[in-house]
Amino acid sequence: NAGVTQTPKFQVLKTGQSMTLQCAQDMNHNSMYWYRQDPGMGLRLIYYSASEGTTDKGEVPNGYNVSRLNKREFSLRLESAAPSQTSVYFCASSHDPFLNQPQHFGDGTRLSIL
Amino acid sequence: TQLLEQSPQFLSIQEGENLTVYCNSSSVFSSLQWYRQEPGEGPVLLVTVVTGGEVKKLKRLTFQFGDARKDSSLHITAAQPGDTGLYLCAGENYGQNFVFGPGTRLSVLP
Repeated sequence: NAGVTQTPKFQVLKTGQSMTLQCAQDMNHNSMYWYRQDPGMGLRLIYYSASEGTTDKGEVPNGYNVSRLNKREFSLRLESAAPSQTSVYFCASSHDPFLNQPQHFGDGTRLSIL
Repeated sequence: TQLLEQSPQFLSIQEGENLTVYCNSSSVFSSLQWYRQEPGEGPVLLVTVVTGGEVKKLKRLTFQFGDARKDSSLHITAAQPGDTGLYLCAGENYGQNFVFGPGTRLSVLP
């Protein structure tokens, strides 16, 4: 059972470069999320998509864009990477947005910005 | 912005000991979840509590939601090395947002 798949697992970028983090889920979930995890700060919500065709900002959206490509896929784009965006990025999905639903997480993308 | 605090930040104990970790906020949550995260992996849901005062048990783990729905605790009985990990609480505000605490990093030594 694949669950939530994130690619790539590791990436090193130079300041100013752009890249897209990919996420796909095979559980037919309606809602998908992007978080970043930094030491001592837990997970912070960047953007989420409650359902196909909708996206909303989370707690820390600046510097990021997202695309809900279809029901399965939700990508996160860094247009001009900054060292402050060095972090571990997690994608998650749930049947419905928040509302007591368990979120299923991928294994993360470890991103370093030099 | 709703905030969740977790204590202690770090905990190192011997196998067989009991422990309790806490998740606190000044805000009311409609539900609260506990996740465990192991190195190199994403968090995995342990439990969801919804009703104030609710107690749920998962083998050696006991979860309690405070009466006022502002806090929660996780008690582990007879800890084992397999319990080692980062324990995260997450609170939801009636579908409006979802916030994670910073976590308690538990190490159980054999």
